[in-house]
Amino acid sequence: DIQMTQSPSSLSASVGDRVTLTCRANQTIRTYLNWYQQRPGKAPKLLIYAASTLQSGVPSRFSGGASGTDFTLTISSLQAEDFATYYCQQSYSTPRTFGQGTKVEIK
Amino acid sequence: QEHLVESGGGLVKPGGSLSLSCAASGFTFSDYYMSWIRQAPGKGPEWVSYISGSGTTTYYADSVKGRFTISRDNAKKSLYLQMSSLRADDTGVYYCARVDLHWLLDHWGQGTLVTVSS
Repeated sequence: DIQMTQSPSSLSASVGDRVTLTCRANQTIRTYLNWYQQRPGKAPKLLIYAASTLQSGVPSRFSGGASGTDFTLTISSLQAEDFATYYCQQSYSTPRTFGQGTKVEIK
Repeated sequence: QEHLVESGGGLVKPGGSLSLSCAASGFTFSDYYMSWIRQAPGKGPEWVSYISGSGTTTYYADSVKGRFTISRDNAKKSLYLQMSSLRADDTGVYYCARVDLHWLLDHWGQGTLVTVSS
């Protein structure tokens, strides 16, 4: 199985901050990398797919990047509704595994 | 508007059985693979099972193979998960989710909680 490792596990930030979350795969997944946002008590929601393509309706302050087996999710100016847990997931091979998440908390 | 609603969760003793359902609306159900994703408390999601639109192709995670059975009824626009020989580590919120053609989980239900405890 492909292992996805996210860092940091949590971070504290303020509204308006720029934050970058990282996800690393333990083998090549090309750009088959997706990001999901999960607010407390809610289901995950697809944010970005194919490493850098925004799902319909997702604000442009979110962006994704890739370099080899390292992937990033950047929020350019953190908003109140962005405080949540973010999961990466590879869709390169079965089982399509998730990372353990990065929780973005209010400072 | 696509909508998925799970039901059937609850408290069950180790070794017991439980059946989950997911009612779909707002899209052509038979056109899509569907999946069950679970999330243990404080953990990341785990893809448990999926089924093709026709029901002929299924997948199970190693952790549930031989114990869980996924099925669907396209006429009723419903997805099911029959769970048996339940263990404590099966505890979590179970979501049904639609799988798009790029293997993205593009719509999720609200989830149903399964607790396996004596």
